[in-house]
Amino acid sequence: GAVVSQHPSWVICKSGTSVKIECRSLDFQATTMFWYRQFPKQSLMLMATSNEGSKATYEQGVEKDKFLINHASLTLSTLTVTSAHPEDSSFYICSGGGAYEQYFGPGTRLTVT
Amino acid sequence: KQEVTQIPAALSVPEGENLVLNCSFTDSAIYNLQWFRQDPGKGLTSLLLIQSSQREQTSGRLNASLDKSSGRSTLYIAASQPGDSATYLCAGVYGGATNKLIFGTGTLLAVQP
Repeated sequence: GAVVSQHPSWVICKSGTSVKIECRSLDFQATTMFWYRQFPKQSLMLMATSNEGSKATYEQGVEKDKFLINHASLTLSTLTVTSAHPEDSSFYICSGGGAYEQYFGPGTRLTVT
Repeated sequence: KQEVTQIPAALSVPEGENLVLNCSFTDSAIYNLQWFRQDPGKGLTSLLLIQSSQREQTSGRLNASLDKSSGRSTLYIAASQPGDSATYLCAGVYGGATNKLIFGTGTLLAVQP
């Protein structure tokens, strides 16, 4: 299957700072990518749909000004957590793919102290 | 609202036993149904994907079925092994080409040696 990478795989930051997470499709082009968040012992929750060359679409309850998404190319989407707080600590996973199947990145564990 | 539920939330079985994991979804306008495995602290591994026109898919000891009319999918694991211990997630794929996934609540499986 196709490969999606994420960077970094884990990050620790101080409260109030911003953190950028990258999601790359390594061997395919993705006009659409998805960002998910997973809290401990919970399932994945879709945060937003990242659209290449246009604004992201956010799910209800997700603050677009806090979670900035940029999809500047067909192989890269970035999620920036702005003014991070401890409650933003979570596992963030992205996916990309085509009409048939989505391929998931390995995830980024964010810890805000 | 599109919701996906999994029962049971946790399951412990002795090695060698056959088992069934259940997944139910509220919106029958599902495009695909996908089963994933997630090991602790790791990303997702895709196990099986069933298209809406199909009723089941098989891979090795795994068999997944889909019944759109009743809003249910099952994952059957034959001759379970300790290495099968993980969290199993089902996801309803909505939106056609955009491939928006709605994840279930997950089943934590422990196979005792």
